[in-house]
Amino acid sequence: DQQVKQNSPSLSVQEGRISILNCDYTNSMFDYFLWYKKYPAEGPTFLISISSIKDKNEDGRFTVFLNKSAKHLSLHIVPSQPGDSAVYFCAAKGRGNQFYFGTGTSLTVIP
Amino acid sequence: DAGVIQSPRHEVTEMGQEVTLRCKPISGHNSLFWYRQTMMRGLELLIYFNNNVPIDDSGMPEDRFSAKMPNASFSTLKIQPSEPRDSAVYFCASSFRRTGELFFGEGSRLTVL
Repeated sequence: DQQVKQNSPSLSVQEGRISILNCDYTNSMFDYFLWYKKYPAEGPTFLISISSIKDKNEDGRFTVFLNKSAKHLSLHIVPSQPGDSAVYFCAAKGRGNQFYFGTGTSLTVIP
Repeated sequence: DAGVIQSPRHEVTEMGQEVTLRCKPISGHNSLFWYRQTMMRGLELLIYFNNNVPIDDSGMPEDRFSAKMPNASFSTLKIQPSEPRDSAVYFCASSFRRTGELFFGEGSRLTVL
C-alpha cells in the first residue's frame, strides 16, 4: 500500500505563475520529507527537504510546507519557469532510513 | 566528483534470461538503495543496505529477484528468470545516513521481450 501519495499525475501552469504540487502521507512516524525533480532519461535529483519539526522551508523559488496534523506537504514554485517542467516526486523518510516515494506529478510550465 | 554509477544503461533481453544490474555508490556513502520506477507505483523501494548489510528486502517482488553488496563500492540486482512484467527503469541510490539525502544514478532501463 502506498504510504506516500501524489494524487495529481499532471499539472500545467503558465510561466511566471505559481506551481503548487501536493503530497499526502499515511505514516505519522516519518521524520523527514524531500522533493525530487526528474527529467526524462535521468535519475531523480534532490530539490528541497523539510524536517518534521518544521512547517516551512524555503530555497529561492522553491518552498515546501508541511502540515503534520493533515499529513500533507506541498511544494510551491514561484515564479514558474519553462525549465521547471519535469516530474516531481515527493518522498518521506522512515526511522529505519527507508525512503518512500510517491508516484510523481508531471509539471508542464507553458511559456 | 563521480555520482552513483549504474550499468548497463539499457538492457533488452528475452523472457527467461538472467539479468544483472550493477551499481557503484558514491564513495563514503554507507546506505545503498535499489528502486524500480513504474507508472502505477512510481519509485518503488526494492531493497536497501546499510554498511553492506541488507536491512529491508520486503519490496523485492519475488524470489526471482536478488541483490547483493559484497563491498562498500559495489552492488548488484539480479533477476532470474526475467519476465516481461519486469520491464521498468531500475534506479540505484546512495546516501550518507546522517544527512538523509539520496543521490540517484541515471537508471538502467530493462526491457524483457
